[in-house]
Amino acid sequence: QKEVEQNSGPLSVPEGAIASLNCTYSDRVSQSFFWYRQYSGKSPELIMSIYSNGDKEDGRFTAQLNKASQYVSLLIRDSQPSDSATYLCAVRPRNSGNTPLVFGKGTRLSVIA
Amino acid sequence: DVKVTQSSRYLVKRTGEKVFLECVQDMDHENMFWYRQDPGLGLRLIYFSYDVKMKEKGDIPEGYSVSREKKERFSLILESASTNQTSMYLCASSFLAELQETQYFGPGTRLLVL
Repeated sequence: QKEVEQNSGPLSVPEGAIASLNCTYSDRVSQSFFWYRQYSGKSPELIMSIYSNGDKEDGRFTAQLNKASQYVSLLIRDSQPSDSATYLCAVRPRNSGNTPLVFGKGTRLSVIA
Repeated sequence: DVKVTQSSRYLVKRTGEKVFLECVQDMDHENMFWYRQDPGLGLRLIYFSYDVKMKEKGDIPEGYSVSREKKERFSLILESASTNQTSMYLCASSFLAELQETQYFGPGTRLLVL
């Protein structure tokens, strides 16, 4: 059973701080990693994808991947109250285009004004 | 922009009714997925399809069936609705690609079975 683990939270950070969200996965051959944001009552929306070890930056968001440690993280700089949401980590277990993503249960982030 | 639409945002049905949830995508995606999402349980895959008339069971297919007669449309069927099928149902679609299988979600259908 392929697993993706996330701390359920809530993770509370003050406005303007860096929020750090973490995810570990069990399948060593996983190749593709995604972060989704889900506001309460809404559907998940893709924030970032990452495929290679290292950092990938997009605006205030940075995804970090360490395949040796089977660890992927999302950093949100200058956190805003509008970033308050549940963040889902998703992993594609193998290098095949029709393999469904495996999702973690999500980490709830609360940014306090 | 990718667009995935679902036939209803909210639905109320009675136990034993047959329920159809429809999903349509306009990006010519090969893959389509049905999930349900419940508090504390996260997203759970019910069924998926990577081609017309093809279907694969996900993690929790019991009590559900699906239909994909056209590439853009994927239907989830609850043959005889039960109260434990009260949930948020999410449809998603994606291209069939080597690495970049980014799944795009529809707005969701919140189903209440009484």
